[in-house]
Amino acid sequence: GENVEQHPSTLSVQEGDSAVIKCTYSDSASNYFPWYKQELGKRPQLIIDIRSNVGEKKDQRIAVTLNKTAKHFSLHITETQPEDSAVYFCAAIPTGAGSYQLTFGKGTKLSVIP
Amino acid sequence: DAGVTQSPTHLIKTRGQHVTLRCSPISGHKSVSWYQQVLGQGPQFIFQYYEKEERGRGNFPDRFSARQFPNYSSELNVNALLLGDSALYLCASSHRVEGNQPQHFGDGTRLSIL
Repeated sequence: GENVEQHPSTLSVQEGDSAVIKCTYSDSASNYFPWYKQELGKRPQLIIDIRSNVGEKKDQRIAVTLNKTAKHFSLHITETQPEDSAVYFCAAIPTGAGSYQLTFGKGTKLSVIP
Repeated sequence: DAGVTQSPTHLIKTRGQHVTLRCSPISGHKSVSWYQQVLGQGPQFIFQYYEKEERGRGNFPDRFSARQFPNYSSELNVNALLLGDSALYLCASSHRVEGNQPQHFGDGTRLSIL
């Protein structure tokens, strides 16, 4: 099955700086890669996603890049704000058998220091 | 429009008991998936249902079962509860069964086993 590794596990940045979270996946057939933000005690919230036919996607201060050859994808947050502090999870979905289940990384706790 | 709703929000049970968790998907969504999130980890896939049929099952024992109703709502049942079943149980819905569709989560049910 799919295996998703996420790094770093914790990340502290100064307000206004950029933050980058990286994930690798094992199944080369995976074709969908969402990112979720989870604040303490709240639901995972889908913030951006990318499909395997696209190399990069942006939404305001958030961007995701995908390198299919290397089997890794990254979340980039620019001009970080205190409200960006949360746990971020990457996930992947393979094609074929198991193509319905999200496989999550273990999460990155981002702290934005005012 | 209402998002994914889950009930109850919190539940305390003792070992050996049985529990039923409920989920209503976003209006128009026909696929419901269940995930278990242990503290400090990413969600782990338990089941996916689409059009009232089980489409996928994660690596969970037979004590876990689920079903989907004609109105696309779903129940997750867990029998013979163990201490290790203490977790946040999340329900996610998506419009179609294909895995590369955005999945939106509810607030979850926090289950504590004493």
